[in-house]
Amino acid sequence: QPVLTQPPSSSASPGESARLTCTLPSDINVGSYNIYWYQQKPGSPPRYLLYYYSDSDKGQGSGVPSRFSGSKDASANTGILLISGLQSEDEADYYCMIWPSNAVVFGGGTKLTVL
Amino acid sequence: QVQLVESGGGVVQPGRSLRLSCAASGFTFSSYGMHWVRQAPGKGLEWVAVISYDGSNKYYADSVKGRFTISRDNSKNTLYLQMNSLRAEDTAVYYCAKGQQLDVWGQGTTVTVSS
Repeated sequence: QPVLTQPPSSSASPGESARLTCTLPSDINVGSYNIYWYQQKPGSPPRYLLYYYSDSDKGQGSGVPSRFSGSKDASANTGILLISGLQSEDEADYYCMIWPSNAVVFGGGTKLTVL
Repeated sequence: QVQLVESGGGVVQPGRSLRLSCAASGFTFSSYGMHWVRQAPGKGLEWVAVISYDGSNKYYADSVKGRFTISRDNSKNTLYLQMNSLRAEDTAVYYCAKGQQLDVWGQGTTVTVSS
Protein backbone atom coordinates (compact mmCIF):
# COMPACT_ATOMS: atom_id res chain seq x y z
CA GLN A 1 0.00 0.00 0.00
CA PRO A 2 1.24 3.51 -0.78
CA VAL A 3 2.67 5.74 1.87
CA LEU A 4 1.45 9.31 2.29
CA THR A 5 4.15 11.52 3.77
CA GLN A 6 3.23 14.23 6.24
CA PRO A 7 5.71 16.30 8.27
CA PRO A 8 5.53 15.13 11.89
CA SER A 9 5.10 18.63 13.22
CA SER A 10 4.30 22.19 12.27
CA SER A 11 3.76 25.39 14.16
CA ALA A 12 2.37 28.87 13.62
CA SER A 13 1.11 31.77 15.67
CA PRO A 14 -2.51 32.74 16.26
CA GLY A 15 -3.92 34.71 13.36
CA GLU A 16 -1.35 33.35 10.92
CA SER A 17 -1.90 30.63 8.33
CA ALA A 18 -0.71 27.05 8.54
CA ARG A 19 0.01 25.03 5.41
CA LEU A 20 0.04 21.31 6.02
CA THR A 21 1.27 19.00 3.30
CA CYS A 22 0.61 15.43 2.27
CA THR A 23 2.99 14.04 -0.34
CA LEU A 24 2.01 11.08 -2.46
CA PRO A 25 4.48 8.51 -3.76
CA SER A 26 5.74 9.18 -7.26
CA ASP A 27 3.72 6.34 -8.78
CA ILE A 28 0.42 7.87 -7.64
CA ASN A 29 -0.63 11.10 -9.33
CA VAL A 30 -2.19 13.55 -6.87
CA GLY A 31 -4.29 14.92 -9.69
CA SER A 32 -6.22 11.68 -9.93
CA TYR A 33 -7.48 11.44 -6.37
CA ASN A 34 -9.61 13.12 -3.78
CA ILE A 35 -7.50 14.17 -0.81
CA TYR A 36 -9.37 13.95 2.47
CA TRP A 37 -8.34 15.73 5.67
CA TYR A 38 -9.13 14.94 9.29
CA GLN A 39 -8.46 16.71 12.57
CA GLN A 40 -7.93 14.86 15.83
CA LYS A 41 -7.60 16.35 19.28
CA PRO A 42 -6.28 14.36 22.25
CA GLY A 43 -8.80 11.91 23.62
CA SER A 44 -11.26 12.47 20.77
CA PRO A 45 -12.03 10.62 17.57
CA PRO A 46 -10.98 12.10 14.25
CA ARG A 47 -13.19 14.78 12.76
CA TYR A 48 -13.74 15.01 9.02
CA LEU A 49 -12.72 18.41 7.69
CA LEU A 50 -12.94 18.38 3.92
CA TYR A 51 -11.98 16.79 0.66
CA TYR A 52 -10.29 18.37 -2.34
CA TYR A 53 -10.07 17.13 -5.89
CA SER A 54 -10.08 20.37 -7.81
CA ASP A 55 -11.40 23.89 -7.42
CA SER A 56 -14.64 22.73 -8.97
CA ASP A 57 -14.85 19.48 -7.01
CA LYS A 58 -14.35 19.91 -3.32
CA GLY A 59 -16.40 19.65 -0.18
CA GLN A 60 -16.43 20.93 3.37
CA GLY A 61 -17.43 18.83 6.34
CA SER A 62 -20.51 19.75 8.27
CA GLY A 63 -19.82 22.71 10.53
CA VAL A 64 -16.22 23.08 9.39
CA PRO A 65 -15.24 26.75 9.13
CA SER A 66 -14.32 28.11 5.72
CA ARG A 67 -10.87 29.05 7.01
CA PHE A 68 -10.02 25.39 6.45
CA SER A 69 -9.40 24.80 2.77
CA GLY A 70 -7.73 22.30 0.51
CA SER A 71 -5.58 22.48 -2.58
CA LYS A 72 -2.98 20.53 -4.53
CA ASP A 73 0.52 21.20 -5.79
CA ALA A 74 0.83 19.01 -8.82
CA SER A 75 4.51 19.81 -9.30
CA ALA A 76 5.23 18.37 -5.86
CA ASN A 77 2.58 15.63 -6.09
CA THR A 78 1.20 16.99 -2.84
CA GLY A 79 -2.13 17.68 -1.22
CA ILE A 80 -2.37 20.75 0.98
CA LEU A 81 -4.54 21.75 3.91
CA LEU A 82 -4.51 25.48 4.53
CA ILE A 83 -5.78 26.83 7.83
CA SER A 84 -6.09 30.58 7.84
CA GLY A 85 -6.63 32.82 10.84
CA LEU A 86 -5.22 30.24 13.21
CA GLN A 87 -6.89 29.87 16.57
CA SER A 88 -5.67 28.10 19.67
CA GLU A 89 -8.42 25.50 19.20
CA ASP A 90 -6.82 24.46 15.90
CA GLU A 91 -3.97 22.84 17.79
CA ALA A 92 -4.40 19.16 16.93
CA ASP A 93 -3.15 16.29 14.82
CA TYR A 94 -4.08 16.42 11.15
CA TYR A 95 -4.28 13.40 8.87
CA CYS A 96 -4.62 13.17 5.11
CA MET A 97 -6.21 10.22 3.36
CA ILE A 98 -6.67 8.85 -0.12
CA TRP A 99 -8.60 5.91 -1.45
CA PRO A 100 -6.60 4.76 -4.47
CA SER A 101 -8.17 1.37 -5.05
CA ASN A 102 -9.76 -1.08 -2.66
CA ALA A 103 -7.83 0.16 0.33
CA VAL A 104 -7.84 3.43 2.23
CA VAL A 105 -4.48 4.97 3.07
CA PHE A 106 -3.80 7.52 5.81
CA GLY A 107 -0.78 9.73 6.15
CA GLY A 108 1.25 9.55 9.33
CA GLY A 109 -0.22 12.79 10.63
CA THR A 110 1.09 16.25 11.44
CA LYS A 111 0.95 17.69 14.93
CA LEU A 112 0.07 21.36 14.60
CA THR A 113 1.11 23.59 17.45
CA VAL A 114 -0.40 27.06 17.75
CA LEU A 115 2.28 29.09 19.49
CA GLN B 1 -28.35 13.33 14.93
CA VAL B 2 -25.98 11.09 13.05
CA GLN B 3 -24.27 8.82 15.54
CA LEU B 4 -22.02 5.78 15.63
CA VAL B 5 -21.45 3.88 18.88
CA GLU B 6 -18.83 1.16 19.08
CA SER B 7 -18.82 -1.61 21.66
CA GLY B 8 -17.24 -4.98 22.34
CA GLY B 9 -13.69 -3.97 23.16
CA GLY B 10 -11.75 -5.37 26.08
CA VAL B 11 -8.65 -7.23 27.18
CA VAL B 12 -8.00 -10.49 25.39
CA GLN B 13 -5.12 -12.96 25.28
CA PRO B 14 -3.05 -13.43 22.14
CA GLY B 15 -4.60 -15.93 19.78
CA ARG B 16 -8.12 -15.37 21.06
CA SER B 17 -11.08 -13.74 19.33
CA LEU B 18 -13.24 -10.67 19.85
CA ARG B 19 -16.21 -9.19 18.02
CA LEU B 20 -16.74 -5.46 17.83
CA SER B 21 -20.06 -3.81 17.05
CA CYS B 22 -20.94 -0.36 15.77
CA ALA B 23 -24.53 0.81 16.20
CA ALA B 24 -25.61 3.47 13.73
CA SER B 25 -28.42 5.99 14.04
CA GLY B 26 -29.61 9.22 12.48
CA PHE B 27 -29.00 8.24 8.86
CA THR B 28 -30.01 5.55 6.37
CA PHE B 29 -27.40 2.98 7.34
CA SER B 30 -28.18 0.67 4.44
CA SER B 31 -27.20 3.35 1.93
CA TYR B 32 -23.58 3.75 3.03
CA GLY B 33 -20.39 1.80 2.98
CA MET B 34 -18.77 1.57 6.37
CA HIS B 35 -15.18 1.37 7.61
CA TRP B 36 -13.19 0.21 10.60
CA VAL B 37 -10.10 2.27 11.43
CA ARG B 38 -7.78 1.69 14.35
CA GLN B 39 -5.24 3.72 16.28
CA ALA B 40 -2.53 2.11 18.37
CA PRO B 41 -1.49 3.97 21.53
CA GLY B 42 0.40 7.12 20.60
CA LYS B 43 0.29 6.27 16.89
CA GLY B 44 -1.52 7.44 13.80
CA LEU B 45 -4.62 6.17 12.08
CA GLU B 46 -4.57 2.79 10.36
CA TRP B 47 -7.38 1.73 8.08
CA VAL B 48 -8.61 -1.80 8.79
CA ALA B 49 -11.51 -2.72 6.52
CA VAL B 50 -14.45 -1.46 4.47
CA ILE B 51 -17.78 -3.01 3.53
CA SER B 52 -20.14 -1.83 0.83
CA TYR B 53 -23.64 -0.59 1.59
CA ASP B 54 -25.18 -3.99 0.91
CA GLY B 55 -22.37 -6.13 2.26
CA SER B 56 -21.48 -7.56 -1.12
CA ASN B 57 -17.95 -6.15 -1.23
CA LYS B 58 -15.38 -6.23 1.53
CA TYR B 59 -11.75 -5.14 1.54
CA TYR B 60 -9.08 -5.42 4.18
CA ALA B 61 -5.69 -4.04 5.12
CA ASP B 62 -2.90 -6.53 4.56
CA SER B 63 -2.17 -6.51 8.29
CA VAL B 64 -5.54 -8.09 9.14
CA LYS B 65 -6.40 -10.03 5.99
CA GLY B 66 -7.36 -13.60 6.80
CA ARG B 67 -7.83 -12.84 10.50
CA PHE B 68 -10.51 -10.14 10.61
CA THR B 69 -13.96 -10.19 9.02
CA ILE B 70 -16.16 -7.17 8.49
CA SER B 71 -19.91 -7.64 8.23
CA ARG B 72 -23.15 -5.73 8.66
CA ASP B 73 -26.79 -6.26 9.51
CA ASN B 74 -28.81 -3.55 7.82
CA SER B 75 -31.97 -4.67 9.61
CA LYS B 76 -30.26 -3.80 12.89
CA ASN B 77 -28.28 -0.78 11.63
CA THR B 78 -25.15 -2.43 12.96
CA LEU B 79 -21.63 -2.96 11.67
CA TYR B 80 -19.38 -5.71 12.99
CA LEU B 81 -15.72 -6.64 13.08
CA GLN B 82 -14.88 -10.22 13.95
CA MET B 83 -11.27 -10.38 15.04
CA ASN B 84 -9.58 -13.79 15.26
CA SER B 85 -6.04 -14.86 16.06
CA LEU B 86 -5.41 -11.59 17.82
CA ARG B 87 -1.85 -10.35 18.26
CA ALA B 88 -0.26 -7.82 20.54
CA GLU B 89 0.08 -5.45 17.59
CA ASP B 90 -3.71 -5.39 17.22
CA THR B 91 -3.90 -3.41 20.46
CA ALA B 92 -5.62 -0.15 19.55
CA VAL B 93 -8.70 1.99 19.73
CA TYR B 94 -11.04 0.79 17.02
CA TYR B 95 -13.31 3.31 15.32
CA CYS B 96 -16.13 2.78 12.87
CA ALA B 97 -16.65 5.49 10.27
CA LYS B 98 -19.34 6.28 7.73
CA GLY B 99 -19.25 6.48 4.00
CA GLN B 100 -16.74 7.19 1.28
CA GLN B 101 -15.56 10.30 3.04
CA LEU B 102 -15.43 8.76 6.52
CA ASP B 103 -17.37 11.82 7.51
CA VAL B 104 -18.76 10.54 10.80
CA TRP B 105 -16.76 8.62 13.40
CA GLY B 106 -17.70 6.86 16.58
CA GLN B 107 -15.98 7.46 19.90
CA GLY B 108 -14.05 4.20 19.57
CA THR B 109 -13.69 1.03 21.59
CA THR B 110 -10.39 -0.11 23.07
CA VAL B 111 -8.93 -3.52 22.35
CA THR B 112 -5.94 -4.69 24.37
CA VAL B 113 -4.23 -7.92 23.42
CA SER B 114 -2.05 -9.10 26.27
CA SER B 115 -1.27 -12.24 28.19
